Amino acid sequence: NAGVTQTPKFRVLKTGQSMTLLCAQDMNHEYMYWYRQDPGMGLRLIHYSVGEGTTAKGEVPDGYNVSRLKKQNFLLGLESAAPSQTSVYFCASRLAGGNTDTQYFGPGTRLTVL
Amino acid sequence: SQQGEEDPQALSIQEGENATMNCSYKTSINNLQWYRQNSGRGLVHLILIRSNEREKHSGRLRVTLDTSKKSSSLLITASRAADTASYFCATRGNTGANSKLTFGKGITLSVRP
Repeated sequence: NAGVTQTPKFRVLKTGQSMTLLCAQDMNHEYMYWYRQDPGMGLRLIHYSVGEGTTAKGEVPDGYNVSRLKKQNFLLGLESAAPSQTSVYFCASRLAGGNTDTQYFGPGTRLTVL
Repeated sequence: SQQGEEDPQALSIQEGENATMNCSYKTSINNLQWYRQNSGRGLVHLILIRSNEREKHSGRLRVTLDTSKKSSSLLITASRAADTASYFCATRGNTGANSKLTFGKGITLSVRP
């Protein structure tokens, strides 16, 4: 049981390049989330999904797109990377239902945009 | 905007001492959770307390919740060097079944051997 995994672990992009971050979970969780973590800012929600084929915007969605084509995968895309998107990105998942609120986090992807 | 605000921002204690961290929030909540993050790693869930609960224990952790003051505290007793990490409170609101967690900015705890 690998839990939540993220690919890649590190990436350096040039301004204007695109990339996709992959999150995978093997816990059969319905809900999945993408956060970014910046120094002094805590975690901020980018996008989330409550099930296969559905996505919704979080607190800071601009410049990002997501897709949830399979229940176990949640992809975060940057179409045209900007230096302001330099951050550590975390994926998380959880079961649906009001009594199962715990989120399980991946190890993070450290992205630098030059 | 951040819902939870932790206090203090940084805490340094000696091994064996107790560590108390506080979290305040602004709007009504369904539950409040505490997470730990070791350097360079993802967050790990520690404990969850619901709005109708006042205190919960888990091992060396004790969490209290005061909904009238919109605040929570996390107490780590008999701290160890391995407790060195950042600690985040996260709140889940009451609106909608898909309510999201809102995280605070975190508290950096250093436990000196």
